[in-house]
Amino acid sequence: EPEVTQTPSHQVTQMGQEVILRCVPISNHLYFYWYRQILGQKVEFLVSFYNNEISEKSEIFDDQFSVERPDGSNFTLKIRSTKLEDSAMYFCASSGRLAGGPRETQYFGPGTRLLVL
Amino acid sequence: KQEVTQIPAALSVPEGENLVLNCSFTDSAIYNLQWFRQDPGKGLTSLLLIQSSQREQTSGRLNASLDKSSGRSTLYIAASQPGDSATYLCAVRGQAGTALIFGKGTTLSVSS
Repeated sequence: EPEVTQTPSHQVTQMGQEVILRCVPISNHLYFYWYRQILGQKVEFLVSFYNNEISEKSEIFDDQFSVERPDGSNFTLKIRSTKLEDSAMYFCASSGRLAGGPRETQYFGPGTRLLVL
Repeated sequence: KQEVTQIPAALSVPEGENLVLNCSFTDSAIYNLQWFRQDPGKGLTSLLLIQSSQREQTSGRLNASLDKSSGRSTLYIAASQPGDSATYLCAVRGQAGTALIFGKGTTLSVSS
């Protein structure tokens, strides 16, 4: 069964460093998302992406964050200058095999655990 | 602003028991609601999706209901098994956007 994959599974970085989290959404899905979950807290929406542009973003997704679909299969989240409070599990998700169907089931990847020291 | 609450926060039951997990949301103008399962340190597995026009969805031993007007959903698990032990998350999608708004989850422990 197709699934969303994410790399790396764990990443440790120093405060102020740039990190890039990678995701391969389910093939033929058109809508892509990033969420994060700080330890012990709710899963929080960061951004959604469709047709090579951001379609929605939360207050968390400030200028330190960016997303990109560099090729036909990868979807990346970049954090330019990491802060201690960026430590969290970051989840990628995808949905919508049909144009106009962004509200179908979202399928989540296994996550990347980011630790900022 | 949409808020999603799940009660109880934790639940322990013996194997074989039927149980109900509750989810409530403050803004009834939702497009759909999705239930997930999360194992410790793992990703989210989608269990059921209920569209706002639907009253319930079933998958195996799971049944999810939706009462949009009262802002409530329940996840019913029949004949619980130790393998059902996990955190169950409820998430709603608003009519205007694509983001899922999550509750904090109910952590279920089923003992054998």
